[in-house]
Amino acid sequence: GESVGLHLPTLSVQEGDNSIINCAYSNSASDYFIWYKQESGKGPQFIIDIRSNMDKRQGQRVTVLLNKTVKHLSLQIAATQPGDSAVYFCAENMNSGAGSYQLTFGKGTKLSVIP
Amino acid sequence: DGGITQSPKYLFRKEGQNVTLSCEQNLNHDAMYWYRQDPGQGLRLIYYSQIVNDFQKGDIAEGYSVSREKKESFPLTVTSAQKNPTAFYLCASSIKGNEKLFFGSGTQLSVL
Repeated sequence: GESVGLHLPTLSVQEGDNSIINCAYSNSASDYFIWYKQESGKGPQFIIDIRSNMDKRQGQRVTVLLNKTVKHLSLQIAATQPGDSAVYFCAENMNSGAGSYQLTFGKGTKLSVIP
Repeated sequence: DGGITQSPKYLFRKEGQNVTLSCEQNLNHDAMYWYRQDPGQGLRLIYYSQIVNDFQKGDIAEGYSVSREKKESFPLTVTSAQKNPTAFYLCASSIKGNEKLFFGSGTQLSVL
């Protein structure tokens, strides 16, 4: 269900440290997951995605881990930089088989990088 | 430059007024979407369109209308029936059969 209140989960990280942002998804039938980064006043930008037949995928400075047993997704950012400060959203998609895709978005986590 | 263009960036609506948000893409994507974002909340789907001249309601379609007369364009009208229209509106597009969405830069709608 939806959470109440307007407060995003927040994560404060020292510059240069690694960041781990967590996301619990709701549907065990979801077969595709995606992470977006959203800076203030801008649209979300794609970071990395993963399909349910994988449990780990790496990009440039980012790694996504998928644990289907507990329906948990995480985004790891290595050597966090001030430019990484943003809100991070996870999204899941359940393949309805009808060729139509609708991503369901989480509420986001605000990452603040301390210089 | 290929991408999705939303305009205007800021929009103000008076009581009882309909307003239209523009979304244009030159990515040659078949599917287009409109999402609403409230402070501290995730994105909620308003309407989507998989093909020209066809569109479907999302989770919160009441008080909104869309059209898809051209592949490149998917305007959203916020009608006077939408009693709480203040939000950040995001347009997105995707390749048909692909879940990855590409987003525009958003329109902030406020009520006067």
